[in-house]
Amino acid sequence: DTEVTQTPKHLVMGMTNKKSLKCEQHMGHRAMYWYKQKAKKPPELMFVYSYEKLSINESVPSRFSPECPNSSLLNLHLHALQPEDSALYLCASSQWDSSHQETQYFGPGTRLLVL
Amino acid sequence: AQKITQTQPGMFVQEKEAVTLDCTYDTSDQSYGLFWYKQPSSGEMIFLIYQGSYDEQNATEGRYSLNFQKARKSANLVISASQLGDSAMYFCAMREGQDDKIIFGKGTRLHILP
Repeated sequence: DTEVTQTPKHLVMGMTNKKSLKCEQHMGHRAMYWYKQKAKKPPELMFVYSYEKLSINESVPSRFSPECPNSSLLNLHLHALQPEDSALYLCASSQWDSSHQETQYFGPGTRLLVL
Repeated sequence: AQKITQTQPGMFVQEKEAVTLDCTYDTSDQSYGLFWYKQPSSGEMIFLIYQGSYDEQNATEGRYSLNFQKARKSANLVISASQLGDSAMYFCAMREGQDDKIIFGKGTRLHILP
């Protein structure tokens, strides 16, 4: 099973709304990531959790709040977003195997539109 | 300076031909990992192949192989016998040392022509 799932697939929200994006993996991966991707651009790293602890926050505005309730789940809480936050939000997880080969799997993403 | 450079913004290739997508990287770490991903228009990011800096053999996965030239800091992706379904954006990425951060290049848009 190399699946990372994300819900919802699409989200439209107003600037005063509060919503959450969810991500789940059952591969036992130790690291989980949130990326933001604008059209025709590479993914931009937002947050990394390693062994359920926040290890990287790429100076993301506080209106984005990550949470890692356990090793399989990653949430991204959204509050008071701006229209420029509209993007594809990708979750990923990664792990090294016994031969030091790393794999990073992405979920299908949530397309977010902020009105 | 950019850590990952993909110099080909777009490429057009005839179906069944082999394709080489260029990627050069910049790091002073001895230990690093290199990744290639495919992103079709549907948006999903698909992991293709990984090369560790200490791996002596070039990584291969089916029709994908990574031409790793360490001295030149080059990690080109080779797709053999291209198919129409290979049309997508391709990203090269790197992790330095044990850093949790994976840095992406700007991508190459590949178009396979029938």
